[in-house]
Amino acid sequence: NAGVTQTPKFQVLKTGQSMTLQCAQDMNHEYMSWYRQDPGMGLRLIHYSVGAGITDQGEVPNGYNVSRSTTEDFPLRLLSAAPSQTSVYFCASSEGRRQYFGPGTRLTVT
Amino acid sequence: KNQVEQSPQSLIILEGKNCTLQCNYTVSPFSNLRWYKQDTGRGPVSLTIMTFSENTKSNGRYTATLDADTKQSSLHITASQLSDSASYICVVSANSGGYQKVTFGIGTKLQVIP
Repeated sequence: NAGVTQTPKFQVLKTGQSMTLQCAQDMNHEYMSWYRQDPGMGLRLIHYSVGAGITDQGEVPNGYNVSRSTTEDFPLRLLSAAPSQTSVYFCASSEGRRQYFGPGTRLTVT
Repeated sequence: KNQVEQSPQSLIILEGKNCTLQCNYTVSPFSNLRWYKQDTGRGPVSLTIMTFSENTKSNGRYTATLDADTKQSSLHITASQLSDSASYICVVSANSGGYQKVTFGIGTKLQVIP
């Protein structure tokens, strides 16, 4: 049981490039979410999904897309990276009140 | 606006000592409050979860308290160890139109020194 896994662990992008952050969970949780964590701020919700085929926007969705084709996977796409998207990104899956976070992806946009 | 404020921002204590971290919130309608531990470079890990009716919850050397009337919570760490060095994040959930809106505090950075 690996829990929540994220790849890559580190990534450097140039402004305007696109990329996909991968997230997978093996706990069969319906609810998954993406957060970003910036210095001096609490984690902020980007997008979330309540099950395969169902996604919705969180607090800071601009510049990010998600899809949920399977229960296990919930990738986050950056369409055209901007320096403001430099952050640490966490994927999480939830069952009831329990939320499990992945190890994070540290993204730098130059 | 839902807010979660934590104090102190940072704290240094000697190994073996106790400490208490504070969390004040203005989230409503309240659903539950969670404390997480986040080691440097890792994702947050859940320590305790409390609902409205619970005013104390323990997890080993970690004890969380909740006063829903004053909207305050505390996390008490007993007999601290070097491995307790981490950020501790208070998270409060509100019921909002059939789903839960979650607000994260900035965290308290704890350093335990020998």
